[in-house]
Amino acid sequence: DVKVTQSSRYLVKRTGEKVFLECVQDMDHENMFWYRQDPGLGLRLIYFSYDVKMKEKGDIPEGYSVSREKKERFSLILESASTNQTSMYLCASSSGPRALYSNQPQHFGDGTRLSIL
Amino acid sequence: AQTVTQSQPEMSVQEAETVTLSCTYDTSESNYYLFWYKQPPSRQMILVIRQEAYKQQNATENRFSVNFQKAAKSFSLKISDSQLGDTAMYFCAFTNTGNQFYFGTGTSLTVIP
Repeated sequence: DVKVTQSSRYLVKRTGEKVFLECVQDMDHENMFWYRQDPGLGLRLIYFSYDVKMKEKGDIPEGYSVSREKKERFSLILESASTNQTSMYLCASSSGPRALYSNQPQHFGDGTRLSIL
Repeated sequence: AQTVTQSQPEMSVQEAETVTLSCTYDTSESNYYLFWYKQPPSRQMILVIRQEAYKQQNATENRFSVNFQKAAKSFSLKISDSQLGDTAMYFCAFTNTGNQFYFGTGTSLTVIP
C-alpha cells in the first residue's frame, strides 16, 4: 500500500513564524500535492509538483511556497504565518507522467491540523 | 476552468438503506476521470470509486456504484445497504491532463443506527 506520511498531526505556531510542513511518500510517485481543507470550502490546491525541483501554483498559492529537492519529499512553507492560515493541510501523491491522461487516484496523508495564534 | 459542485452539504440515511450523493462538474474536455473519496472523522481520505469518462458503463465497487451521465455532467454516488462505517465526508473529484485534481466542497453523510 502507498504510504504518505505527514510529519505532524497537530501543530501550533505564532503569527509571523516561518512554518514547515513535511510530506514523504514511499511509492516513487511523480506527482505530489498540497491542499488545505476548510469547512464548507472542500479541498483547495495550494501547490503541486510533477517532478523533482518542479512546482506549479494551485488555486491559493499566496503566502505559501514549496520545495521538492527529492522525489519522495514535498515540503510546504508558510513564509510568515498568519491567523487566516489556520487550517487542515493535506498532502497527496499520485503516479503517472504529467503530460498524459491519468486515471491514477491520489493517495493522502493523515493531514496536519495547523493553528496559528 | 474546471469546477466540481456538490449541492448537498449534509445528508443522513438509516442503516441498511440506500442513499445517493450528487455531484456535477463543468469541463470543456472530452476525456477525463472522476472520483469519489471518503474521509471518515479524524481519519485519512481514501478512494471509494473512479470512473473514466470514455467508458459508458457505470463503475461499481461492492456496495458503491455511480450514475455517470456525461451529457449532463453528472456523477452521483449510490451507497447501498448503508453501514455505520460509511459515516464520513464524501468528496467528488475530477482530473484531466496534468494530473491536477479538482474537488467539490464535500457532503457530510451520517448513517443512523
